[in-house]
Amino acid sequence: EAQVTQNPRYLITVTGKKLTVTCSQNMNHEYMSWYRQDPGLGLRQIYYSMNVEVTDKGDVPEGYKVSRKEKRNFPLILESPSPNQTSLYFCASSLRGRRDEQYFGPGTRLTVT
Amino acid sequence: GEDVEQSLFLSVREGDSSVINCTYTDSSSTYLYWYKQEPGAGLQLLTYIFSNMDMKQDQRLTVLLNKKDKHLSLRIADTQTGDSAIYFCAEIPVKGSYIPTFGRGTSLIVHP
Repeated sequence: EAQVTQNPRYLITVTGKKLTVTCSQNMNHEYMSWYRQDPGLGLRQIYYSMNVEVTDKGDVPEGYKVSRKEKRNFPLILESPSPNQTSLYFCASSLRGRRDEQYFGPGTRLTVT
Repeated sequence: GEDVEQSLFLSVREGDSSVINCTYTDSSSTYLYWYKQEPGAGLQLLTYIFSNMDMKQDQRLTVLLNKKDKHLSLRIADTQTGDSAIYFCAEIPVKGSYIPTFGRGTSLIVHP
């Protein structure tokens, strides 16, 4: 089944403790991206990747890192999480780029205390 | 930066038509998308339209675009309780930034 998976689905952590949210897609998509969704703000793009080893900043990259060492995986790294990074995070992928249909993962709800 | 605006809530009776509205500010050629988000799930693409089109129909869904006013609407015919969800409008410019701009989402509530 074609899908985007994220892990964990729920995470509660403390300020400053490094964490990684994994994202994997099995559709051989070139384009992958991370979004955060906050109440009343819609979705905002954090980072995106056009292909392996090619990443770029989205609208709200501060406090986040990403890597794209393999085509299927695009982990989101929070080196030193802060409470303002409490949010719902979505990973998405599409075949080639922004105009193609994006497939979204189920979301990761992160709480930083 | 670009901006996409939507009304936050819409309540309709089952069987009626729903119309969800969106305005955008990008003046260049752009792709405009409608996504649906059900509770606890990610976003699902419903349909999209290019800014040089006026209308697109796909089964119960009709997208209308008024380029002059930069106004986009999504009409759902014969709305069902399963259509209850949050609907997001998004725009992505054809050239330049690869960063999509999403609206804040419209919560559609369908009651019997």
